[in-house]
Amino acid sequence: AQKVTQAQTEISVVEKEDVTLDCVYETRDTTYYLFWYKQPPSGELVFLIRRNSFDEQNEISGRYSWNFQKSTSSFNFTITASQVVDSAVYFCALSEAAFNTGGFKTIFGAGTRLFVKA
Amino acid sequence: DTGVSQDPRHKITKRGQNVTFRCDPISEHNRLYWYRQTLGQGPEFLTYFQNEAQLEKSRLLSDRFSAERPKGSFSTLEIQRTEQGDSAMYLCASSFLGMQAPNTIYFGEGSWLTVV
Repeated sequence: AQKVTQAQTEISVVEKEDVTLDCVYETRDTTYYLFWYKQPPSGELVFLIRRNSFDEQNEISGRYSWNFQKSTSSFNFTITASQVVDSAVYFCALSEAAFNTGGFKTIFGAGTRLFVKA
Repeated sequence: DTGVSQDPRHKITKRGQNVTFRCDPISEHNRLYWYRQTLGQGPEFLTYFQNEAQLEKSRLLSDRFSAERPKGSFSTLEIQRTEQGDSAMYLCASSFLGMQAPNTIYFGEGSWLTVV
C-alpha cells in the first residue's frame, strides 16, 4: 500500500532563512511519481514539481530545490532565502503508475504548515 | 487556458439536506478526480473518472455520495442526507492521460461545505 509521511506539522522561520520540508514515502511499485503541492491561505492546491522513480537527479527551480533519494524513500523540499509569500501548507504526494483501471490515484501526506515571519 | 473550476465555492446546509457540487475540468483533460480535505489534513481520494467511466471509488465514498460525469466533461458530486461529518472542502482535479505530464493532477479552488 502507498503511504506518504510528512513528520513536520508546522515550521516557523524568519525571512531569508533556508528551510527544508521532509517527505518519506512507501510503495511496493518500482514505477511511481512523487509530487509537491503548495496550498496558500486562499485554499487552491498549486502543483510545484513531479519526479518519476527513475530520475533521482535533484532539481532546482529558483529558490526551490528538491532532493530525491530512493535509498531512504525520501523526497525533501528546500526553500532557500525564504520569503513571507512562501507561507503556506506544503503537501508531498505519491502516485503509482499502475497501467490498469485501478491505478493512477494520487495520495497525499498530511502537509507541513510553513510560517515565514518578516 | 482556464483551470479547473468548481461551483459553488461555499455552501452552508442543514443536516439532512442534499447538496450538489459541480466541477469543470481543464478542457483537454480526460481524467477527473474528487478529493475531500478536512482542516489540518491532506486531500483524501474519493473517486476518479476517465472520460465518463468511474474507474475507482474510495471506501470513504459512502452510499450517500454519488458522482457522475455524464458526457465526459463536467462532473457532479452529490451528497444526500448530509451529516455534520460531511463538513469539509471538496476538491476537484483533472489530468491528461498521456506522457506529457504523467499522473499530474491540477486542482480547482475547492467547494467548502458546512453542515449545520
